[in-house]
Amino acid sequence: EAQVTQNPRYLITVTGKKLTVTCSQNMNHEYMSWYRQDPGLGLRQIYYSMNVEVTDKGDVPEGYKVSRKEKRNFPLILESPSPNQTSLYFCASSLWTGDNEQFFGPGTRLTVL
Amino acid sequence: GENVEQHPSTLSVQEGDSAVIKCTYSDSASNYFPWYKQELGKGPQLIIDIRSNVGEKKDQRIAVTLNKTAKHFSLHITETQPEDSAVYFCAASGASGGSYIPTFGRGTSLIVHP
Repeated sequence: EAQVTQNPRYLITVTGKKLTVTCSQNMNHEYMSWYRQDPGLGLRQIYYSMNVEVTDKGDVPEGYKVSRKEKRNFPLILESPSPNQTSLYFCASSLWTGDNEQFFGPGTRLTVL
Repeated sequence: GENVEQHPSTLSVQEGDSAVIKCTYSDSASNYFPWYKQELGKGPQLIIDIRSNVGEKKDQRIAVTLNKTAKHFSLHITETQPEDSAVYFCAASGASGGSYIPTFGRGTSLIVHP
């Protein structure tokens, strides 16, 4: 089944404790991205990747890191999480650019205390 | 950069009525306009999209119209059903500045009352 998977689905952590949210797609897509969803603000892009070893900032990259060592994986790293990063996070992938249908993962609910 | 405004933020209709959600965008270089539906506890899923060389597209009960001159596009759902209740997002993307970062609207919560 073609899909985007994220882990964990739910995470509660404390300020400053490094964490990684994994994302994997099995559709051989070139383009992958991370979004955060906050009430009243919609979906805002954090980082995106056009291909392996190619990443770039989205609209809200501060406090986040990403890497794209393999085509299928695109982990999101929070080196020192803060309470303002409490949010619902979605990973997405598309065939090539963001100019095509994006397939979203199920989401990761992160709470930073 | 691109700015997408979406209205209304909440829309309540009776089953069988039509629902219309409207979006405006700012960047004339945008050329791809998708609509996503997000059901409770799930990720958004594409329901229909339109490109700038087309003015209207229809798929069963849903349709999207695009007015490039006025920079607005709309989602139309006819004969609404309770399972249409969800949050709907519009988005705009294109080759502005050489990147293809999609910009999303803030979402519309559609409630269809049986």
